[in-house]
Amino acid sequence: AQSVTQPDIHITVSEGASLELRCNYSYGATPYLFWYVQSPGQGLQLLLKYFSGDTLVQGIKGFEAEFKRSQSSFNLRKPSVHWSDAAEYFCAVGAPGGSQGNLIFGKGTKLSVKP
Amino acid sequence: GAVVSQHPSWVICKSGTSVKIECRSLDFQATTMFWYRQFPKQSLMLMATSNEGSKATYEQGVEKDKFLINHASLTLSTLTVTSAHPEDSSFYICSVVGPRDEQYFGPGTRLTVT
Repeated sequence: AQSVTQPDIHITVSEGASLELRCNYSYGATPYLFWYVQSPGQGLQLLLKYFSGDTLVQGIKGFEAEFKRSQSSFNLRKPSVHWSDAAEYFCAVGAPGGSQGNLIFGKGTKLSVKP
Repeated sequence: GAVVSQHPSWVICKSGTSVKIECRSLDFQATTMFWYRQFPKQSLMLMATSNEGSKATYEQGVEKDKFLINHASLTLSTLTVTSAHPEDSSFYICSVVGPRDEQYFGPGTRLTVT
């Protein structure tokens, strides 16, 4: 069955520290991969996506993610976290070559940032 | 600025009543919109695909007679929760597929059924 696992429900990091949010997927083929961020009162915002090519993907707000086929992972990273990064982060997968509309989401990781 | 709006952002209704949620595409015409449901500490679950001018396509397990979707124009889709029950209380999110096939999400509507 197709699924997305985000093992960490809640992570707290200090401002300025590095961050890594984990995402593992189960899919028949290499899917399209996405990371979204959801802030209170805001819609989900796309941080970055991977379709093919370079396995290290750069996104907005200083985020990057690395696709590792052997581990079926697409972990999100940021070298230095800012207080404004506190939010909920969702990893999602979609059918390769298909519309980006029909996505399977993980349960999310809530990020808290300590001053 | 916002690409997708939802109204209302929060609604409380009594059991047995119906409530309508609007999803508007602000920046472009959208032939396809999606409706998701999100339970606390859970992922977004796709409920249905809303197609302008035709019937919505519902995911398995979603009651089409309970969750009525109307995509009457290229900028508006509505989700009506009919005969609401407390278990329908949830966060409902719509999304719009943009011109480059990217997906934009609305801010969500929190429904509480008492």
